[in-house]
Amino acid sequence: EPEVTQTPSHQVTQMGQEVILRCVPISNHLYFYWYRQILGQKVEFLVSFYNNEISEKSEIFDDQFSVERPDGSNFTLKIRSTKLEDSAMYFCASRRDRDQPQHFGDGTRLSIL
Amino acid sequence: AQRVTQPEKLLSVFKGAPVELKCNYSYSGSPELFWYVQYSRQRLQLLLRHISRESIKGFTADLNKGETSFHLKKPFAQEEDSAMYYCALSPYSGAGSYQLTFGKGTKLSVIP
Repeated sequence: EPEVTQTPSHQVTQMGQEVILRCVPISNHLYFYWYRQILGQKVEFLVSFYNNEISEKSEIFDDQFSVERPDGSNFTLKIRSTKLEDSAMYFCASRRDRDQPQHFGDGTRLSIL
Repeated sequence: AQRVTQPEKLLSVFKGAPVELKCNYSYSGSPELFWYVQYSRQRLQLLLRHISRESIKGFTADLNKGETSFHLKKPFAQEEDSAMYYCALSPYSGAGSYQLTFGKGTKLSVIP
């Protein structure tokens, strides 16, 4: 069964540095999402992406965040200047269309020092 | 605003006992409800969605619009059911990206 893949599985970065989290959605999927989960808290929506543009974003997704689909397969989340509070598990998800459920990747654990 | 509440952080049951994981929601429109499961060190996996009305791994969930609940039930718990369970909500119609709003999750521990 096809899966959403995320790399790296764990990223350790100094505060203030830029970080890029990568996701390869399932190949025929059209809707892409990023979520995050701070330790001990709920999974929170960050941003959705469709037709090569952001379709919706949450209050968390401020100017330090950006998303890109640089080619036909990758979907990236960039955090420009990381803060301690960005430490979390980041999940990528994709779905084929609105009638289908979202499929999640394994997540990237981001640790900011 | 939409909200999902899972009142229990941890639920421990004995093997063979019935399980009920509670989920309540608030949403002004027409929601779609889901249960996702996360086994140890694995990804979030879809367990159930209310519109499909399936039974997966013996689990069922019925959407009760009057009580705004979507409790997950299984008549006889198995050890392999031990996992983190998340209830989630998404708009069912209208514009928007249909993103998920999650509850905080309930950790189910099945005691042998």
